[in-house]
Amino acid sequence: DGGITQSPKYLFRKEGQNVTLSCEQNLNHDAMYWYRQDPGQGLRLIYYSQIVNDFQKGDIAEGYSVSREKKESFPLTVTSAQKNPTAFYLCASNMRIHAGNTGELFFGEGSRLTVL
Amino acid sequence: KQEVTQIPAALSVPEGENLVLNCSFTDSAIYNLQWFRQDPGKGLTSLLLIQSSQREQTSGRLNASLDKSSGRSTLYIAASQPGDSATYLCAVLAGNTPLVFGKGTRLSVIA
Repeated sequence: DGGITQSPKYLFRKEGQNVTLSCEQNLNHDAMYWYRQDPGQGLRLIYYSQIVNDFQKGDIAEGYSVSREKKESFPLTVTSAQKNPTAFYLCASNMRIHAGNTGELFFGEGSRLTVL
Repeated sequence: KQEVTQIPAALSVPEGENLVLNCSFTDSAIYNLQWFRQDPGKGLTSLLLIQSSQREQTSGRLNASLDKSSGRSTLYIAASQPGDSATYLCAVLAGNTPLVFGKGTRLSVIA
């Protein structure tokens, strides 16, 4: 089945440690996105990538880093510079818009990061 | 800058009621509008996508309409059930840029 796989689902980290969240898609989508969701708040865009080897900062990129070495993979690293990293992280993907593509966005199941 | 607003933020209804969730956006130059459902602790599930040339889309008990000129979309849920309890988000796509999301409406359907 096609879809987006995020791992791990739950992650605990000590302050000062970097952690990497995995996002893999087998939908052959061009674009991939990372969002952060805090309780009672909306989605906030961290980073996005529309093609391999290229990515752009979203609204809250400070303290995060990404790479896009393969079309199907877009890992997110939460660095020790992120002041309040405890949150729910969501990965999404879609096709770039051109003839025949709707640009429909699909999400993974999320990764919950807790900093102890 | 595109802004998407969803009103109300929360809604509680008795089972069996028909209900309408609202979504408004400030820039009518959109490519499509998507409605999502999110259950607690889960990712978002795409419910309906309406392209800018369309007026509505239907899936089962769900019907979404789009009035691009007025910057509005509604999600109609017929004969609501407790299993419909979730947060519903709308988002607009303007081009090859990230979707812009509303903050969602948290729906509770009481048995």
